[in-house]
Amino acid sequence: NAGVIQTPRHKVTGKGQEATLWCEPISGHSAVFWYRQTIVQGLEFLTYFRNQAPIDDSGMPKERFSAQMPNQSHSTLKIQSTQPQDSAVYLCASSFSPGSETLYFGSGTRLTVL
Amino acid sequence: SQWGEENLQALSIQEGEDVTMNCSYKTYTTVVHWYRQDSGRGPALIILIRSNEREKRSGRLRATLDTSSQSSSLSITAAQCEDTAVYFCATDKGGSAKLIFGEGTKLTVSS
Repeated sequence: NAGVIQTPRHKVTGKGQEATLWCEPISGHSAVFWYRQTIVQGLEFLTYFRNQAPIDDSGMPKERFSAQMPNQSHSTLKIQSTQPQDSAVYLCASSFSPGSETLYFGSGTRLTVL
Repeated sequence: SQWGEENLQALSIQEGEDVTMNCSYKTYTTVVHWYRQDSGRGPALIILIRSNEREKRSGRLRATLDTSSQSSSLSITAAQCEDTAVYFCATDKGGSAKLIFGEGTKLTVSS
């Protein structure tokens, strides 16, 4: 089991460009979570899916950010018109079920917006 | 904010010493998780303690939970260099599937 896989590990974009981050959860896990980590804000919840359906996106910025889970093997986080303040490490996690207590995190994607 | 200021700190100790990290939370939780994050990696669960438990042990780790004061602690006995990491506590805000993380404690253990 390779764990949660996130690609790319690093991404550099220019201001105004689009960034798409990919996450492959652990096989058999039904819940997928996205978090953002910065020095100032720490680990912030963004959104989560259960059985591919969006359940809670209360942490997602209302504009420019969107997340999808088209199938059980991957989820994407898309940021349109990236801004320097979007620079962060974006972490994906999965769990066996939403009620199970262990989140398994990937190593994250470090997004740098110039 | 979910968290008290006392959650934000950096600790430096020598190998072999004991260390305790604290966190407080403002919203009811059914369980407190403790995660550690190594440089360049995502957080990994190391111990969790439920609201009906006051203490939980796992190897050199000991977690405590005081629901009346809404605070938890993580202690590491005889710390080793490989314990160097950032440690986070996290709560579930009353059983929600999503976890809310504290600001973390950066622990450095030197030989």
